[in-house]
Order: sequence, then structure tokens, then C-alpha cells
Amino acid sequence: DIQMTQSPSSLSASVGDRVTITCRARQSISDFLNWYQQKPGKAPKLLIFSASSLQSGVPSRFSGSGSGTDFTLTISSLQPEDFATYYCQQTYNSPWTFGQGTEVQIK
Amino acid sequence: EVQLVESGGGLVQPGGSLRLSCAASGFTFSSYWMSWVRQAPGKGLEWVANIKQDGSEKYYLDSVKGRFTISRDNAKNSLFLQMNSLRAEDTAVYYCAKIAVAGNYYFDYWGQGTLVTVSS
Repeated sequence: DIQMTQSPSSLSASVGDRVTITCRARQSISDFLNWYQQKPGKAPKLLIFSASSLQSGVPSRFSGSGSGTDFTLTISSLQPEDFATYYCQQTYNSPWTFGQGTEVQIK
Repeated sequence: EVQLVESGGGLVQPGGSLRLSCAASGFTFSSYWMSWVRQAPGKGLEWVANIKQDGSEKYYLDSVKGRFTISRDNAKNSLFLQMNSLRAEDTAVYYCAKIAVAGNYYFDYWGQGTLVTVSS
């Protein structure tokens, strides 16, 4: 199984801050990397697919980068509605695996 | 508008069985791979199973192989998860998800989830 490790596990930030979350795969997964946002009590929502492609309807302040084993999700200017937990996911090999999540909290 | 609506969750004793359903609408269900993903209380996301458009290919998380069966009825736009020999560690919210394929695979739509609690 391909282990996905996110860092940090949680962070505190203010509205307007630039936020960066990293995701590392234990082996190369090319660009088979997706990012999801989940708010409490809600289903996850797709933000980024194929490492850097923005899902339709997702604000442009979200961006993704990386390839191989190291990936980044960036929120260029944090908004109140962005406080949530973020998960990376690899779909390079079965079983598809998720990172443990990064909780973005209000400072 | 794409909609996925799960049902069938509830409280079940260890060793018991439960069948989850997912009603799909707003897209051509028979054209897409579908999946079940779960989330234990306070924990992260865990992929459980995938099924091909015609049901001819199925993939499972190792810990549910031989106990869970994913299936679909394309005529009724429905996805199912038959769960047998349930364990306490299967307690989770179960989501059905539509799989998009665009060079990569990803879950572009999710249902709201149904809670399965395995406890005596």
C-alpha cells in the first residue's frame, strides 16, 4: 500500500493568510494525486485533481502542485469558508489511500 | 444536478449484516465507475471498494475482502454494499462516490453518507 503523509496535521491561520499543506507519497505516484476539503458533518468536496487541475467551480485561490512523491496544496488568501480539514489522495495504485488530513483552524 | 443519496445504515451487532444503498441521479449512472468510502468517527477517509460500469470488475480494501460485496443495478441507477460479518472497526459513515476519469481517477461527487454502528 502507498502511504500518504500530510504535514502539518493542523495549523492555525488568519483570514487573508497564505496557507500551504504538503503531502508526501512513500513511492512515486506521478500526478495521480487529488485534494479534498471536508467541513464538519459534511461529505468531502473535490478541490484539485491530477495534482494541479482545479475542479470546476472551485475558487482560484486554491492551487496544487507537485509530481512524483511531493505535492502541495496552496490557499493564496484564506477565507472564512476555508476553515476545514483537507485530505490528499493517491489513485496510482490500489488500494487508493488518503493522507491523515490537515485541519485548518482560525487563529 | 448530480445527486447521490445513501441509505441503509444503522446499528448492528458484531457478526451481523447490513446492506447499504446509494441512489444516483443527474448523470448517466451506467457510464461511470462507482465507489464506497468510509470514515470512522473522528478519523480520516478510507477507500473501501470500486465497481466498474458493468459490474465486471470489483476491487476491495484488504480488510473487507470476503466480507463486503459491492454491486450495482444500472436499470435502477443504484449502487449497493452488502456488509457481512461486521466488526466494531467497521463502524463509520459510509459514502458512495462517483469516480471521474480524466487521465487520473478521482471522486468528483459524493453522497451525504450513512452511519453504520457495529456494537452489542
